[in-house]
Amino acid sequence: AQTVTQSQPEMSVQEAETVTLSCTYDTSESDYYLFWYKQPPSRQMILVIRQEAYKQQNATENRFSVNFQKAAKSFSLKISDSQLGDAAMYFCAYRLRSGSRLTFGEGTQLTVNP
Amino acid sequence: DAGVTQSPTHLIKTRGQQVTLRCSPKSGHDTVSWYQQALGQGPQFIFQYYEEEERQRGNFPDRFSGHQFPNYSSELNVNALLLGDSALYLCASSLSYQRGGPGETQYFGPGTRLLVL
Repeated sequence: AQTVTQSQPEMSVQEAETVTLSCTYDTSESDYYLFWYKQPPSRQMILVIRQEAYKQQNATENRFSVNFQKAAKSFSLKISDSQLGDAAMYFCAYRLRSGSRLTFGEGTQLTVNP
Repeated sequence: DAGVTQSPTHLIKTRGQQVTLRCSPKSGHDTVSWYQQALGQGPQFIFQYYEEEERQRGNFPDRFSGHQFPNYSSELNVNALLLGDSALYLCASSLSYQRGGPGETQYFGPGTRLLVL
């Protein structure tokens, strides 16, 4: 069974600074997707970024980028120029290409200090 | 472009009762997945519906059942409610590969918060 681990229950960052959230996963498969979702206090789960495992290039979406290390089964999220609106719970998730379910980590609560 | 909608937003039930939660997928999407998110945890996959059939199921008892309608909307039914069923129930939709979509990317609704007393 696939598992996703987020070892940082809480992180904090100063506004305008950079922060990196960690995620590791365990799978014996080679073809899968990885995601970062953001869940603000409103509880709506919002897609931040996705990465296809067969792509070597790390995904980037504006201030958000990932460091995907397939051999190490590591998938970290870097948030640059942090903004107050980035404060939320961040979840790392895995999905097998041929599967249906998303498997989520336990989440990292990010606080952005003004 | 309408996103994923869920109803009701909040619900209070007592143990042993039955509940039905509803989800309308994002416009153009044909696949609906349901997740349960207990307080302080990540979402857990319940099941996924495609073409009105349950395609995959997570580790949930038969008390949890679902349905998908021809317009792709979906219902989640939970029978014989237990205190442990109290959670946020999230619906997510996606466009299947069969219809040319990026089937792997799921978009979530705002959730239904269920409290069982």
